Amino acid sequence: GAVVSQHPSRVICKSGTSVKIECRSLDFQATTMFWYRQFPKQSLMLMATSNEGSKATYEQGVEKDKFLINHASLTLSTLTVTSAHPEDSSFYICSALDRETSYEQYFGPGTRLTVT
Amino acid sequence: GQNIDQPTEMTATEGAIVQINCTYQTSGFNGLFWYQQHAGEAPTFLSYNVLDGLEEKGRFSSFLSRSKGYSYLLLKELQMKDSASYLCAVSTGTYKYIFGTGTRLKVLA
Repeated sequence: GAVVSQHPSRVICKSGTSVKIECRSLDFQATTMFWYRQFPKQSLMLMATSNEGSKATYEQGVEKDKFLINHASLTLSTLTVTSAHPEDSSFYICSALDRETSYEQYFGPGTRLTVT
Repeated sequence: GQNIDQPTEMTATEGAIVQINCTYQTSGFNGLFWYQQHAGEAPTFLSYNVLDGLEEKGRFSSFLSRSKGYSYLLLKELQMKDSASYLCAVSTGTYKYIFGTGTRLKVLA
């Protein structure tokens, strides 16, 4: 089956610093990738949709200058949390759409971000 | 507004059958998904329904009624490893997905 990787799996950073999270589709091409965040015992909340070669589409309430998304190739999207604060601590999950099926999302293993 | 409702928690016994319901009210509908998520891990795909009826895949089945805005996930021959959260998600349009808050299933020996 399709595999999506995320790196790093866990990161702890100090308040005010920036953190970059990578999401890669390993064995398929993904024209579209999604970034979600999930708080404990809550469901996934879509942050933005990332299309290869174009600007990301952000959901209402998500600051595009704070959460920078780049989708430079068909297999890589990155999320950079800039000037992180403790309230940004969360579980960030990416997913990728297989361009062959175009409906099934394959999720990465997630990144646990802790901002101290 | 757009809304997806699932029970928060369910408990069942190993070997039993459990049905997890999901009702939705959305502005568009391109299909309904069920995912399994273990604590601290990413969701894994279980099923996709776009037409009314039952889709069976091994021990798991998923049902959809578009007119009622209703779906259920049926898990048979429950195993301890089935203890997880089950997320119902609706695709409301191209690249648009809304997730329910998930149902935490606890399987008891």
